Amino acid sequence: GENVEQHPSTLSVQEGDSAVIKCTYSDSASNYFPWYKQELGKRPQLIIDIRSNVGEKKDQRIAVTLNKTAKHFSLHITETQPEDSAVYFCAASTGGYQKVTFGTGTKLQVIP
Amino acid sequence: GAVVSQHPSWVICKSGTSVKIECRSLDFQATTMFWYRQFPKQSLMLMATSNEGSKATYEQGVEKDKFLINHASLTLSTLTVTSAHPEDSSFYICSATAGGWETQYFGPGTRLLVL
Repeated sequence: GENVEQHPSTLSVQEGDSAVIKCTYSDSASNYFPWYKQELGKRPQLIIDIRSNVGEKKDQRIAVTLNKTAKHFSLHITETQPEDSAVYFCAASTGGYQKVTFGTGTKLQVIP
Repeated sequence: GAVVSQHPSWVICKSGTSVKIECRSLDFQATTMFWYRQFPKQSLMLMATSNEGSKATYEQGVEKDKFLINHASLTLSTLTVTSAHPEDSSFYICSATAGGWETQYFGPGTRLLVL
């Protein structure tokens, strides 16, 4: 089955700096890669996703890149704000109704 | 759109009792629902995939007789934790997809504490 690894497990940045979270996946059939943000005690919220026919996607301060050959994908958050502090999960799926496999999570702390 | 609700949000029960958790898609028909368990400071671990009108598909290591899943309609799936024990205490979250969408929309979760 799919295995998704995520690094780092914790990340502290100063407000205004950028944050990068990296993930790798094992199943070459995976073609859908969502990123979720989870605040303490809350549900995961989709923040951005990318499909395998696209190498990069951006939404305001958030961007995701995908390298299918290397089976890597990354989340980039620019101009970080304290409200960005949360746990971020990457995930991979073969799409459609198929299950999503989550990474281990990155706890991001943005220091004011 | 794409709102998923879950009930109850909190439940405390005695060891040996059964607990039912409901997951509803409020503004769409959910062809597929997923049930996850999340322990503190850990990732979401998929327990089972639930398709309307058919038996759930359980992940390896998840006891199907202990975690009963029913997906009787396109808007409701239930998870029953039978004969709950303290080690079953966790945060249970459902998610739903619909009509070929890949995106999973999550419910708010149910925190279960078994005494």
